[in-house]
Amino acid sequence: EDQVTQSPEALRLQEGESSSLNCSYTVSGLRGLFWYRQDPGKGPEFLFTLYSAGEEKEKERLKATLTKKESFLHITAPKPEDSATYLCAVQARSGGSNYKLTFGKGTLLTVNP
Amino acid sequence: DARVTQTPRHKVTEMGQEVTMRCQPILGHNTVFWYRQTMMQGLELLAYFRNRAPLDDSGMPKDRFSAEMPDATLATLKIQPSEPRDSAVYFCASALWSETQYFGPGTRLLVL
Repeated sequence: EDQVTQSPEALRLQEGESSSLNCSYTVSGLRGLFWYRQDPGKGPEFLFTLYSAGEEKEKERLKATLTKKESFLHITAPKPEDSATYLCAVQARSGGSNYKLTFGKGTLLTVNP
Repeated sequence: DARVTQTPRHKVTEMGQEVTMRCQPILGHNTVFWYRQTMMQGLELLAYFRNRAPLDDSGMPKDRFSAEMPDATLATLKIQPSEPRDSAVYFCASALWSETQYFGPGTRLLVL
């Protein structure tokens, strides 16, 4: 069974204080690892897809990296508007299940001004 | 700006009543997913469709939940009868085949 564990559950940063969120996963053949951002009262918003170990993607202050066992979401010089819950999900390669995403429970990030 | 739409956005009902949630996927997307989100369990996949055909509904309580796609622009999730433990946020997402899933704003359901 595919599993995704995110840590920490909650993270509080001061504006400008860089940090990283972790996503550890076990999957029977990784097709893709996805990062989403979710604001209160809204649906998850797509950020990145990573497909193979060593791959990196960046968007503004966010950079996502991938190894064979985990992914990191690095946040550089965060701003209060980066406050949200960040969700990680894996998609398995095998057979008919390659449509499904298995989500972690998320990291609630709060950035104080 | 293409996006997934869901109605209603909020629903309060009494135990035993039927609840119907609707989703309009992004035009051209052929895969539609229904998820449920709670504080305890996080996001859980309930069911999904490809080209309107159900592929997997193993995440749904079979006795009370049903999901359908009457046409390519409408997906429905019904709960009958509803129970307090069904209170959650229900999300619809759509994708082109197995590519990136895009989520709707959700239906917040409270069953009293």
